[in-house]
Amino acid sequence: AQTVTQSQPEMSVQEAETVTLSCTYDTSESDYYLFWYKQPPSRQMILVIRQEAYKQQNATENRFSVNFQKAAKSFSLKISDSQLGDAAMYFCAYRRGSGGGADGLTFGKGTHLIIQP
Amino acid sequence: DAGVTQSPTHLIKTRGQQVTLRCSPKSGHDTVSWYQQALGQGPQFIFQYYEEEERQRGNFPDRFSGHQFPNYSSELNVNALLLGDSALYLCASRQGMNLNEQFFGPGTRLTVL
Repeated sequence: AQTVTQSQPEMSVQEAETVTLSCTYDTSESDYYLFWYKQPPSRQMILVIRQEAYKQQNATENRFSVNFQKAAKSFSLKISDSQLGDAAMYFCAYRRGSGGGADGLTFGKGTHLIIQP
Repeated sequence: DAGVTQSPTHLIKTRGQQVTLRCSPKSGHDTVSWYQQALGQGPQFIFQYYEEEERQRGNFPDRFSGHQFPNYSSELNVNALLLGDSALYLCASRQGMNLNEQFFGPGTRLTVL
């Protein structure tokens, strides 16, 4: 079974600074996808960024980028120029690439990100 | 365009009762997944429905069952409620069974007393 570990229960960063959230995962699969989701107090889970395991290039979405280290099974999220609206729970998630799409996401326990004004 | 909607928003039940939660997928989506998120934890996959059939199931007992209707909406039923079933139940939808992005609803907060 796949597991996802987020070792930072809480992180705090000053507004406009850069913060990195850590995630490691364990899998025996070679084809998989990794995700970072944001869950604000409104509870609605929002996709931040996605990485395909077969792609060596790290994904980037505006101020959000990942550092994907496949051999180390590490998938960290970097948020640049942090904004107050970035404050939320962040979840790292894994999904098998095979199985015809009939697989749910495996989530980590989350990191609570606090933005200090 | 309405996103994923869930009802009710909050629900309080007592142990042993049964509960039904409802989900309407985003317009154009035909695949619905359900997740359980206990307090302070990440969501856990319960099951997924496509073409009115359960396609994949996570590690949840048979007390958890579901249904998908021809209009793609879905229900999650939990029988013989336990205190440990108290959680936020999230519904997610996407188009098809490929790797399109899943869109999540705001969830239903279930409290079992």
